[in-house]
Amino acid sequence: ETVLTQSPGILSLSPGERATLSCRASQSFSNSYLAWYQQKPGQAPTLLIYATSTRATGIPDRFSGSGSETDFTLSISRLEPEDFAVYYCQQYVRLPYTFGQGTKLELK
Amino acid sequence: QLQLQESGPGLVKPSETLSLTCTVSGGSVSSTSHYWGWIRQPPGKGLEWIGSIFHSGSAYYTASLKRRLSISVDTPENQFSLRLSSVTAADTAVYYCARASSGFHWASPDAFFDTWGHGTLVSVTS
Repeated sequence: ETVLTQSPGILSLSPGERATLSCRASQSFSNSYLAWYQQKPGQAPTLLIYATSTRATGIPDRFSGSGSETDFTLSISRLEPEDFAVYYCQQYVRLPYTFGQGTKLELK
Repeated sequence: QLQLQESGPGLVKPSETLSLTCTVSGGSVSSTSHYWGWIRQPPGKGLEWIGSIFHSGSAYYTASLKRRLSISVDTPENQFSLRLSSVTAADTAVYYCARASSGFHWASPDAFFDTWGHGTLVSVTS
């Protein structure tokens, strides 16, 4: 099973700042099959990024994804109040498809 | 606009079978471009992929649940379903159904989840 480890567990920032979230895989990816989701309290996750760097429909361009092999990053260039949430990465390169444990982005 | 809605009992007794249905509207489970999946989230914890199915009935399950799990599709009703037998308290979670996309025009089980249902909490308790 491919284990995804997200860091930090909690990230405290202010609106307008830049957020950088990390997702490290226990096995290397030969392709870019990594996605990122945002989850707000009491809601289902929402797809942000797929194929490492492709934004989903309707996602603002302040969200960007990058990475390869075992190290992947979600960046949020200028935090808006609605961006404070939990973020998960997911690999879909091999079964079982796995999620990271999440990074909570909280208001400082 | 694609929408998914989970339905089923919110309480299940230990050792019994958990059964949930996902009803798809604004789209078709017979799509040749998508799989359909189930993901769960124990209270206060992270996400766990359970399994995915194609309209043909071809399904993929997570190994840890495979012995107890069955996912099926009902194309006339535009639904897909989950059955998990011999449940324990460890199966208490919010269960989500979702559409699985490969990012290409063809379907693949290697997929991310682009549209989710709201989720339904299932508690296993006597």
